[in-house]
Amino acid sequence: KQEVTQIPAALSVPEGENLVLNCSFTDSAIYNLQWFRQDPGKGLTSLLLIQSSQREQTSGRLNASLDKSSGRSTLYIAASQPGDSATYLCAVLNTGGFKTIFGAGTRLFVKA
Amino acid sequence: DADVTQTPRNRITKTGKRIMLECSQTKGHDRMYWYRQDPGLGLRLIYYSFDVKDINKGEISDGYSVSRQAQAKFSLSLESAIPNQTALYFCATGRGSGRDEQFFGPGTRLTVL
Repeated sequence: KQEVTQIPAALSVPEGENLVLNCSFTDSAIYNLQWFRQDPGKGLTSLLLIQSSQREQTSGRLNASLDKSSGRSTLYIAASQPGDSATYLCAVLNTGGFKTIFGAGTRLFVKA
Repeated sequence: DADVTQTPRNRITKTGKRIMLECSQTKGHDRMYWYRQDPGLGLRLIYYSFDVKDINKGEISDGYSVSRQAQAKFSLSLESAIPNQTALYFCATGRGSGRDEQFFGPGTRLTVL
């Protein structure tokens, strides 16, 4: 059974710092991995999607990497801003059954 | 206008009541999903549908039912609501090919007293 773990559960950093959020999964038979952002009481906004054949994806200050063999993905945020404060979720889509499994998220707070 | 809409956005109900949550999408996607989110547990899949005639159970389907009325509409029902169904419910869509990226609605906050 696929399990997705995100560490740390919460993170507080000063503005301008570069940071890395971690996501690990137990079954490497995935179709893709997606990173989302969730603001309090709101829905999820897709940030980046990495196909299983890809190693990384970039969008602006965000870079996501995928190492399928070790069951890990990282989300790198450069030059963090207070507006980046949110919960970041990773989700893997399994090849068997096409079910998406989510991690519990990392709650990020960027201090001005 | 939002691509994925959910109604109602908030609902308070009593134990034993029947509740329906509705989801509509204008993205033209075949795949639609219902998730619930509980604090500290992330999102868990309740039901998913790959097209109008295809309905599948997710991780936690007990106590829930769904109806895919059209490509654009997917509703979730709680036949007899209970307090542990208090949660944030999300509908999502997916293209079903290629990148299969998922897009989420704004959520429905349901409280069962």
